[in-house]
Amino acid sequence: GAGVSQSPSNKVTEKGKDVELRCDPISGHTALYWYRQRLGQGLEFLIYFQGNSAPDKSGLPSDRFSAERTGESVSTLTIQRTQQEDSAVYLCASSYGQGTDTQYFGPGTRLTVL
Amino acid sequence: QKEVEQDPGPLSVPEGAIVSLNCTYSNSAFQYFMWYRQYSRKGPELLMYTYSSGNKEDGRFTAQVDKSSKYISLFIRDSQPSDSATYLCAIASGGSYIPTFGRGTSLIVHP
Repeated sequence: GAGVSQSPSNKVTEKGKDVELRCDPISGHTALYWYRQRLGQGLEFLIYFQGNSAPDKSGLPSDRFSAERTGESVSTLTIQRTQQEDSAVYLCASSYGQGTDTQYFGPGTRLTVL
Repeated sequence: QKEVEQDPGPLSVPEGAIVSLNCTYSNSAFQYFMWYRQYSRKGPELLMYTYSSGNKEDGRFTAQVDKSSKYISLFIRDSQPSDSATYLCAIASGGSYIPTFGRGTSLIVHP
């Protein structure tokens, strides 16, 4: 079946612009996660959704970052007033439930802020 | 000190070699241990996970956990060029299954 998809695959933007990244999880997966991966670094947790509520958003680095999820479907991560340090790959993952259920990752969105 | 430490490499080995990839961690509350493989420009995929100390084998891959030393390893036997990727360890506590990732080790298996 279809895996996790993310769009766009690449995004180049100018400093100060807003960007919106999209994640389509695997159908039926209730849990959804956003991570950031800077070059040569491990994955940095941003936010976790269970359904359309976000019980853990402790990883969002600043109030410029926000995310929402519609039901148990699409999620969008919005970065306002982008900065050069926001340049990274943004990865989305989904899992059937929470806890130890396997997370399936999308291919990521590569964001470059000039 | 980072919660999870992993040497970024790169680690270059000839085809057929046994590969050893390692991570150390600092939080004794961690009890769920995972290894992910990430090919270039792809998302990570889960290779193996384990809850307990000791070894877990799956084909050419063996995951080893030593909780007393806070040290985990992934061994790859008979390595193949298709194993060339970045391998990330990820560790979670029982209270929160949001994993903490190592920075990944880049592995290159040359023919």
